[in-house]
Amino acid sequence: SQQGEEDPQALSIQEGENATMNCSYKTSINNLQWYRQNSGRGLVHLILIRSNEREKHSGRLRVTLDTSKKSSSLLITASRAADTASYFCATVVNTIQGAQKLVFGQGTRLTINP
Amino acid sequence: EAGVTQFPSHSVIEKGQTVTLRCDPISGHDNLYWYRRVMGKEIKFLLHFVKESKQDESGMPNNRFLAERTGGTYSTLKVQPAELEDSGVYFCASSQVGGGGASGEQFFGPGTRLTVL
Repeated sequence: SQQGEEDPQALSIQEGENATMNCSYKTSINNLQWYRQNSGRGLVHLILIRSNEREKHSGRLRVTLDTSKKSSSLLITASRAADTASYFCATVVNTIQGAQKLVFGQGTRLTINP
Repeated sequence: EAGVTQFPSHSVIEKGQTVTLRCDPISGHDNLYWYRRVMGKEIKFLLHFVKESKQDESGMPNNRFLAERTGGTYSTLKVQPAELEDSGVYFCASSQVGGGGASGEQFFGPGTRLTVL
């Protein structure tokens, strides 16, 4: 089963509104990260929140982390058409071989309507 | 500074053919990762190189997939023979420290969209 699961799977809002996406994970984490993928382009790292942090801001982005509930949320305020993309949460998992890998959720497809 | 680049951006092949994807990481990044997103599902880890060595290849789906990283620079991912279920987007990422390091950030390329007909 996946480490991260997100809801909603798809979200469509009007430009200027706020968008909230949620992510849940299963195991203990050192940090949780959010990525964005615009259509036809690669993944862009948005923000990282450490396990000892509860909230973090970056521009119009606000991320919260609740380790007791193993959940995180990403809030985009005052949305713009350019925010239309897929958003993924990801956690770092240590592998048996001593390496690390990112485990992603299924993502939320966000559409901002003009 | 150039980011992670991938080639080709899009490949369309027929079932049974061979395809080789290439990834050039950010210069100086020892860690290189391959991921893929199949059929709009979640992005899944395939493998991790540290320099030229495979640190973890637990995510490789089967022996039709072969990844190499000659000289610890660029990496290739070959699929031979390709099957319909291999269609998807293949992402490469690199990082200076291991994926769980202080920054935790992996830098992703634009991906290669593979379509197997």
